[in-house]
Amino acid sequence: ETGVTQSPTHLIKTRGQQVTLRCSSQSGHNTVSWYQQALGQGPQFIFQYYREEENGRGNFPPRFSGLQFPNYSSELNVNALELDDSALYLCASSPSTGRGPGANVLTFGAGSRLTVL
Amino acid sequence: GENVEQHPSTLSVQEGDSAVIKCTYSDSASNYFPWYKQELGKGPQLIIDIRSNVGEKKDQRIAVTLNKTAKHFSLHITETQPEDSAVYFCAAHKGNTGNQFYFGTGTSLTVIP
Repeated sequence: ETGVTQSPTHLIKTRGQQVTLRCSSQSGHNTVSWYQQALGQGPQFIFQYYREEENGRGNFPPRFSGLQFPNYSSELNVNALELDDSALYLCASSPSTGRGPGANVLTFGAGSRLTVL
Repeated sequence: GENVEQHPSTLSVQEGDSAVIKCTYSDSASNYFPWYKQELGKGPQLIIDIRSNVGEKKDQRIAVTLNKTAKHFSLHITETQPEDSAVYFCAAHKGNTGNQFYFGTGTSLTVIP
């Protein structure tokens, strides 16, 4: 059983640029969530994808967008990068968004460390 | 929305001693409370969780307690070992919100050999 894999692991961008981060969900998981973790802070929920549609969003502006593909993998896109976007971006997958003991149990990837200069 | 507070922010214990980390939450509708361990350069890893219909759960050296009335929950690690050194996060979740979890700010635990 493979876990959640993310790429790239590290990247550096300049203010105003755009970035795409990628995530492959754990085998058998159909729901992907993205979190932003600033240095020294807990993860903050960006959004969630289920059945290739966004179906939950945290307090992040529209320049944060995403995609989910038929194989459940996902992308996070951030446009017009700002210095405050520098963070570890975590992808998490789960078996479903519904009820039951396994639902909502997150498996995180190692993250993509984004630095905006 | 939900607000999760976590204390202490740093904790040092001698190997073999116990460690306790406490969290409070604000939304009484929250009903699922996981704890994550994050080692340097890695993503958070679920170590134990508890749902609101249970007051305590134990898994070997790790236990979690939940007080719904007071809206707080705690992580207890007994017989600490150097490999327990990491950052620990608590989180809260309420039903029908998908995977939107609210995390605490983390506790950096150092176990001194």
